[in-house]
Amino acid sequence: DGGITQSPKYLFRKEGQNVTLSCEQNLNHDAMYWYRQDPGQGLRLIYYSQIVNDFQKGDIAEGYSVSREKKESFPLTVTSAQKNPTAFYLCASSIPPRSSYNSPLHFGNGTRLTVT
Amino acid sequence: GENVEQHPSTLSVQEGDSAVIKCTYSDSASNYFPWYKQELGKRPQLIIDIRSNVGEKKDQRIAVTLNKTAKHFSLHITETQPEDSAVYFCAALGGYNKLIFGAGTRLAVHP
Repeated sequence: DGGITQSPKYLFRKEGQNVTLSCEQNLNHDAMYWYRQDPGQGLRLIYYSQIVNDFQKGDIAEGYSVSREKKESFPLTVTSAQKNPTAFYLCASSIPPRSSYNSPLHFGNGTRLTVT
Repeated sequence: GENVEQHPSTLSVQEGDSAVIKCTYSDSASNYFPWYKQELGKRPQLIIDIRSNVGEKKDQRIAVTLNKTAKHFSLHITETQPEDSAVYFCAALGGYNKLIFGAGTRLAVHP
């Protein structure tokens, strides 16, 4: 279903603990993204990766870290430094845009993280 | 920095009426503008997109218009149905291939 798998669907953690969200895709897409969704604020970009072993900070990268060791996988770690981690996290992938071709994002089903 | 503003934040229409959602973007280099629909508890799904070399695109009851001079683009839904009720997001592709999203519009279609 869409070729992007996020797990788990719901995740609960205690404050002060790091937690890693999984994102796997089998679409052979080069680019992968992590977005955070809060009510009334749309989707905000956390990190993105255009190619294996390379990634860039998005607009709200503080308190998060990522790795891109494999094309298929782009895990996101929410660290204890993230002040307000409770949110809905969406992973997405795309063929990177080229000068004459733009590819839409394909989203996973999301992980709802609750930190108490 | 790059920004996309979306209006209105909520929209309520009667079944059969039209709905229009408007977005403006700040990055004049943006050249790709997708629209996503997100139903409650589900992931966003692409419904239509437009590239900067086109002024209008239509797909059945959905159309998107783009005014590059004014940096505006809009989503038009005609003959709305209850199943059109969802949150709609516009987006613009900015520098470094980053897709910047608007804050979303919650559309409610009443029977």
